[in-house]
Amino acid sequence: ETGVTQTPRHLVMGMTNKKSLKCEQHLGHNAMYWYKQSAKKPLELMFVYNFKEQTENNSVPSRFSPECPNSSHLFLHLHTLQPEDSALYLCASSQDEGRPGELFFGEGSRLTVL
Amino acid sequence: QQQVKQSPQSLIVQKGGISIINCAYENTAFDYFPWYQQFPGKGPALLIAIRPDVSEKKEGRFTISFNKSAKQFSLHIMDSQPGDSATYFCAARGQGAGNNRKLIWGLGTSLAVNP
Repeated sequence: ETGVTQTPRHLVMGMTNKKSLKCEQHLGHNAMYWYKQSAKKPLELMFVYNFKEQTENNSVPSRFSPECPNSSHLFLHLHTLQPEDSALYLCASSQDEGRPGELFFGEGSRLTVL
Repeated sequence: QQQVKQSPQSLIVQKGGISIINCAYENTAFDYFPWYQQFPGKGPALLIAIRPDVSEKKEGRFTISFNKSAKQFSLHIMDSQPGDSATYFCAARGQGAGNNRKLIWGLGTSLAVNP
C-alpha cells in the first residue's frame, strides 16, 4: 500500500451534482489535510484535522464539506460546485499537526466542474 | 499577507548542469524551510528542508543555501539529470501555534533538464 491514497483520481461533475473525494493514509499519522492546487496559485490549505478533530478551516465555502471518521481516513464532500472549483485536490498527512512541514501527499483527485 | 516569492517560474538546464531555484520571504517568524518536488500526475514530495540556524544543507545532488539576513533560500541541483524534470516548490513554516504554524508556499518552478 502506498502512503497516502486518493480516490477517484479524476472526477467530472455538473454544478448540481454531489460527489465525494476519499483519502486514506497508511503511515500511522495523526494529522490530515486537504489542499487545493490551481495553476498560477500557491497551494491553498483548505482543512486540517488532528486526531480526527478539525483544527483549521481556511474560509472555505460551505459547498466543500470535510469529514474525518478516524485518523486514517479523510473525505471531502462536494455539492453545488462552481466551474472555478475545478482543480487538483490533494490530501496530505503528517505525523502530527506540530510538524506540518513534513507532509506526505497523495497523488490528488483532478476535479472538473462543468 | 505573508508571502514566499519563488523564481524563476520555469527553468531549462542541460544534462549535467546546475539548476538553481530561489525563494525569498518577508516574515522573519519562519522556522522551517522545505522544498517539495512534484512530478506530473503525482502529489508533491518532500525533497529537502533546512532550519534557519543552518546556512547550508546537502543531500546527494541537492543543496539548500540559506541566507537569514537577506531572507532568501535557494535550491541547487548539481549534475542535473532528465529525471529531475519536475516542478519544485519552496515553502516556509510559521512559528507559534495554530494558524501561524501553517506552510506558506511559493508558486513553483517548472524545471526541464534536456538530455
